[in-house]
This record gives sequence, C-alpha cells and structure tokens, in this order.
Amino acid sequence: KNQVEQSPQSLIILEGKNCTLQCNYTVSPFSNLRWYKQDTGRGPVSLTIMTFSENTKSNGRYTATLDADTKQSSLHITASQLSDSASYICVVSAFLRTGANNLFFGTGTRLTVIP
Amino acid sequence: DAGVIQSPRHEVTEMGQEVTLRCKPISGHNSLFWYRQTMMRGLELLIYFNNNVPIDDSGMPEDRFSAKMPNASFSTLKIQPSEPRDSAVYFCASSPGLAEDEQYFGPGTRLTVT
Repeated sequence: KNQVEQSPQSLIILEGKNCTLQCNYTVSPFSNLRWYKQDTGRGPVSLTIMTFSENTKSNGRYTATLDADTKQSSLHITASQLSDSASYICVVSAFLRTGANNLFFGTGTRLTVIP
Repeated sequence: DAGVIQSPRHEVTEMGQEVTLRCKPISGHNSLFWYRQTMMRGLELLIYFNNNVPIDDSGMPEDRFSAKMPNASFSTLKIQPSEPRDSAVYFCASSPGLAEDEQYFGPGTRLTVT
C-alpha cells in the first residue's frame, strides 16, 4: 500500500535552534518527493522537489535529503526563525501507466518556533 | 502575476444546499488540481485536469461532488447536496506541466456546512 508517514506530528523549538523533520514512504514506483510549507490560513508553498537521483537540495535555510534506498527523506531547518512556524507537508509522486502521476500526502508536521 | 485565484474565500451554507467553488489558475499553466484539507485527513487530491481534461478523479469522494474546467482559465468544484462532513478548506492549485511539476496553490475556500 502506498503511504507517506511524517514525524513528529508536532514540534516546538526555540528561535535560533535547528530541527529535522522526517518523512518515510512506501510509494512505488517513485517519481519525486516534495516538501511544502503551509502557513496558517494559507495554501502550501513548495520548498523543494527531488527526483530519484538527487540526495540533497537546499532552499535557503531549508535542506532536504532523500535516501531512495531506504525510502526516507528529511527536512532540516537551520537557525530557525519565528516565521518558520507552520505545517510542513511531504508529498510523494508515483508514476502511473497512463503517464499521469499519483500523489501521496503525509499528514504534516506542525512546527512552532518560540522566542 | 496574481497567482491562483479562488472564490469565495469563505462559504457558510446549510445542509442540502448546492455549493460552487471557483478557481482561476495561473495563466499559461496546463494542469489544475482541486484539493480538500481537514484536520483529520490532511490534504487530499480530489481531481486533476490537464489541458482542461480530467485525468484522475479517483479522489472525488462521491457523486455529490463534480468538477468542470470549461476553458484554460476557469474551473469549478460543485457539491450538491452539501453535508456537514463536507466542511473543510478546499484548495485549487495549478502547475505549468504535469502533476509531477511544481504546483502553485491558491488561498483556499473555507467551507462550513451547518
């Protein structure tokens, strides 16, 4: 069964600290993996997209890693800021025979950064 | 570019009423997606259009839900009749290519069915 699991469900950290969010998946055949940031009351915004051959991709203070062998991804946030408080959603795409993609969503990690 | 535009932003209706949500994708984008988000189930893909043609509607919960894309710049998601369990935030997103490309989300429509 194709699934995406994220951990932890929620996380509280002090401003300036680093943190790592986890995404494990069983989706096959794998197409790509995306991390989205969703601020409260807003739509998700893409942070990174990684294909099978990519191990690491950075976007400012956000660094995503992908281990396609173990089917794990992580999102590392460096020197956290109050504006990082949001939900972070992992989305994995699988290839379909039709050529369209199937999208599988994690339920997200709710990050709260406190001063 | 104005981004993906959704209307209304908030909708409150009574059970049994028809609800129509609207979306204008980013100009030039070929794919459009409708999502539903709840606290319990997170983000769920309802239907995906490419070049105005529905490609995957397997996420549409039941016959009460229907979606159309009459042209490249407009799509609707209709619920008839609405039920309290349909209460959620409905997002529309568009992408320049296929589903695997980066998607740009609208601000969402918060639907409350009483």
